[in-house]
Amino acid sequence: KNEVEQSPQNLTAQEGEFITINCSYSVGISALHWLQQHPGGGIVSLFMLSSGKKKHGRLIATINIQEKHSSLHITASHPRDSAVYICAVRGLIQGAQKLVFGQGTRLTINP
Amino acid sequence: GAVVSQHPSWVICKSGTSVKIECRSLDFQATTMFWYRQFPKQSLMLMATSNEGSKATYEQGVEKDKFLINHASLTLSTLTVTSAHPEDSSFYICSASLGSHYGYTFGSGTRLTVV
Repeated sequence: KNEVEQSPQNLTAQEGEFITINCSYSVGISALHWLQQHPGGGIVSLFMLSSGKKKHGRLIATINIQEKHSSLHITASHPRDSAVYICAVRGLIQGAQKLVFGQGTRLTINP
Repeated sequence: GAVVSQHPSWVICKSGTSVKIECRSLDFQATTMFWYRQFPKQSLMLMATSNEGSKATYEQGVEKDKFLINHASLTLSTLTVTSAHPEDSSFYICSASLGSHYGYTFGSGTRLTVV
């Protein structure tokens, strides 16, 4: 079993739909990251969370440390949101900077 | 914001030749860079952690003599794929840590095809 599991692996939705991508992890973490990878391969960091909830535009990320679970929500989805969304966690060991990645969720938003 | 510039964005080379990929931090000093490899429809796999002025730390199973990493300055880290083979064809991407409170920034990636 991977340390970081994402679901679903693939998601197709219509423009305007509310999207939820889930991430569960099995290790203690100092932070959780949500990343967006576009078809060309470039990666953008969307959020870094250690507790609670963050919002940026139409994107919302939440984390429940006790349940070791995080969600990424997209409101009013748009075709330009189509990308692979990756959850990654950073461990608790002091000085550790390595990220452990989920397998990614491929999101397709149809017009 | 902090930007990492990665070059080239794509390269095609012949088997047996070497290819160098560069990652530059444009507006900050990156004491640590991470090099990843990604096969199609798979997640990122960490190859090595590059620290300025010291030897890189390679992940298990990654050949350090094949994937040479140099981090000679605070703004430049390079990955050289030596004696490339078709199985080295992949997407390579670097990232820099901005500090424990600030997350990471990623290069745009290099698609390597070995023919």
